Amino acid sequence: DAKTTQPPSMDCAEGRAANLPCNHSTISGNEYVYWYRQIHSQGPQYIIHGLKNNETNEMASLIITEDRKSSTLILPHATLRDTAVYYCIVRPPMDSSYKLIFGSGTRLLVRP
Amino acid sequence: EPEVTQTPSHQVTQMGQEVILRCVPISNHLYFYWYRQILGQKVEFLVSFYNNEISEKSEIFDDQFSVERPDGSNFTLKIRSTKLEDSAMYFCASIDSRSSYEQYFGPGTRLTVT
Repeated sequence: DAKTTQPPSMDCAEGRAANLPCNHSTISGNEYVYWYRQIHSQGPQYIIHGLKNNETNEMASLIITEDRKSSTLILPHATLRDTAVYYCIVRPPMDSSYKLIFGSGTRLLVRP
Repeated sequence: EPEVTQTPSHQVTQMGQEVILRCVPISNHLYFYWYRQILGQKVEFLVSFYNNEISEKSEIFDDQFSVERPDGSNFTLKIRSTKLEDSAMYFCASIDSRSSYEQYFGPGTRLTVT
């Protein structure tokens, strides 16, 4: 399984963009990059995913480098409610069960 | 918006007792999962369930654990003889693999074994 590396913690000011990096240097050509977050002890919440191209939805943007060895999740205008642990997950290509393998993630603190 | 629900929100049990954690996945979803998270630790995959059978299980999911989808709506996790180390948050999740692979998680059941 491709491993991911994320900084353990980050912080940003409310209203500013939060840029969360993830390294996945061993990613295979057909593996997707997924981002989930977990607010306090709630169930993880899907944010966004991508393969090669940059992606944007109502929650965030995902920038994947051309070599696909790293990606950045961007929360364009972070709010206090975005304080959470953010997980970058690479899904194994031949995994028929679509399970998620969580790492330690990045704990994002949004400051007032 | 449809959501995954779990009951109870908190279960306290004595060591050696059997517990059943219940989940109602999103109605048209096809794959179902249980994960657990021991306090302060990572979310860990336990088991996936598809087409009325286990499609994959982790090393954690030993003979003490079982899953069932008894009636087409509920999805249950049974722990036969609980141990202190089973204390954790247990999350149910589901996906509709026909349209997307986003997993939708429930709010979790906090299991406390005393």
